[in-house]
Amino acid sequence: QKEVEQNSGPLSVPEGAIASLNCTYSDRVSQSFFWYRQYSGKSPELIMSIYSNGDKEDGRFTAQLNKASQYVSLLIRDSQPSDSATYLCAVRGSNYQLIWGAGTKLIIKP
Amino acid sequence: DTEVTQTPKHLVMGMTNKKSLKCEQHMGHRAMYWYKQKAKKPPELMFVYSYEKLSINESVPSRFSPECPNSSLLNLHLHALQPEDSALYLCASSQIRAGDTEAFFGQGTRLTVV
Repeated sequence: QKEVEQNSGPLSVPEGAIASLNCTYSDRVSQSFFWYRQYSGKSPELIMSIYSNGDKEDGRFTAQLNKASQYVSLLIRDSQPSDSATYLCAVRGSNYQLIWGAGTKLIIKP
Repeated sequence: DTEVTQTPKHLVMGMTNKKSLKCEQHMGHRAMYWYKQKAKKPPELMFVYSYEKLSINESVPSRFSPECPNSSLLNLHLHALQPEDSALYLCASSQIRAGDTEAFFGQGTRLTVV
């Protein structure tokens, strides 16, 4: 059974600090990794995609991938109250389907 | 443009009704998906279409019937649903090529079965 694991949280971070979200996956052959942000009652919004080892930065967001250790992380710098949401880690499996983590609820405290 | 459009946004239907959910994308994506999402859970895959052909049916009850009329449109026909089918129904699309498989979601249809 291919799995994606995330700490469900909630993760509470002060405004302006760095929020660090982590995800591990079981399928060693996985090649595509994604972070989605989902506000309550809304649909998932793609935040970052990463396909190769290392860091990928986009504004305040940095995705990190380590295939040897089978983990992917998302860093959010200068956290804002508007970043409060559930963050879903997803890994592309076979047949184009996404394998989802349970999501981490992030709370940014003003 | 990374837009996937779903209609309607909200739907209330009785257990004997027949209704359809619609999804449209103009990004040239060749894979389209239906997901069901319950509160505080991740999306649950229902169907995948690739090149307009059904490639995955995750053992979904026959009261849900998908249809892909062309590469831009995806429908989900609903009939004789149960109250436990109430959920957020999400459509998504993506490319089918290595290194470019980002999936984009529509805003969802909030379905309530009464």
